[in-house]
Amino acid sequence: TQLLEQSPQFLSIQEGENLTVYCNSSSVFSSLQWYRQEPGEGPVLLVTVVTGGEVKKLKRLTFQFGDARKDSSLHITAAQPGDTGLYLCAGATGNQFYFGTGTSLTVIP
Amino acid sequence: SQTIHQWPATLVQPVGSPLSLECTVEGTSNPNLYWYRQAAGRGLQLLFYSVGIGQISSEVPQNLSASRPQDRQFILSSKKLLLSDSGFYLCAWSGGWSQETQYFGPGTRLLVL
Repeated sequence: TQLLEQSPQFLSIQEGENLTVYCNSSSVFSSLQWYRQEPGEGPVLLVTVVTGGEVKKLKRLTFQFGDARKDSSLHITAAQPGDTGLYLCAGATGNQFYFGTGTSLTVIP
Repeated sequence: SQTIHQWPATLVQPVGSPLSLECTVEGTSNPNLYWYRQAAGRGLQLLFYSVGIGQISSEVPQNLSASRPQDRQFILSSKKLLLSDSGFYLCAWSGGWSQETQYFGPGTRLLVL
């Protein structure tokens, strides 16, 4: 079983603060995805990272894939209430996708 | 562009009744298809995945079954629902140019009473 652990599980911060969410595994993945999900809706893809050490930026969000392709981080700068949601990481190996336990983020105005 | 549909959006069923949830994908051919169940605010549990018509792999022994009667259609079924089948069911696809990424449908909220 390829387990992905996310930390923290819950995070509540004030608008304007920075935060980092971690996604860790002992397994190697060919790629890793980050999703954001709002209550009652399906997860929406934010980014896919493929190369070890890769860094991708999406406005205020920065995603990094670990050099060994076992872990990843998501950093949000100057969080806004619209960033509130459940953040999920998923590691891909062939046709299989393994999801993290999720990080529930609340940004307080 | 590719789109994925699920229906119904919400379903309330009595214990012991049958279930059929449908998922269809548009704009791609020969996708890999997946069924997940999600507990409130938590990660996803893979139930079934399919790499082609009639090809189903089950990840978790349970009260549910899946079928793929057409290339872009994936169905989740049960003959007799249990209370523990309640949850949020998500369908996803990957494949083609998107081998490394899954895209999700809007989900079905199932409540078994």
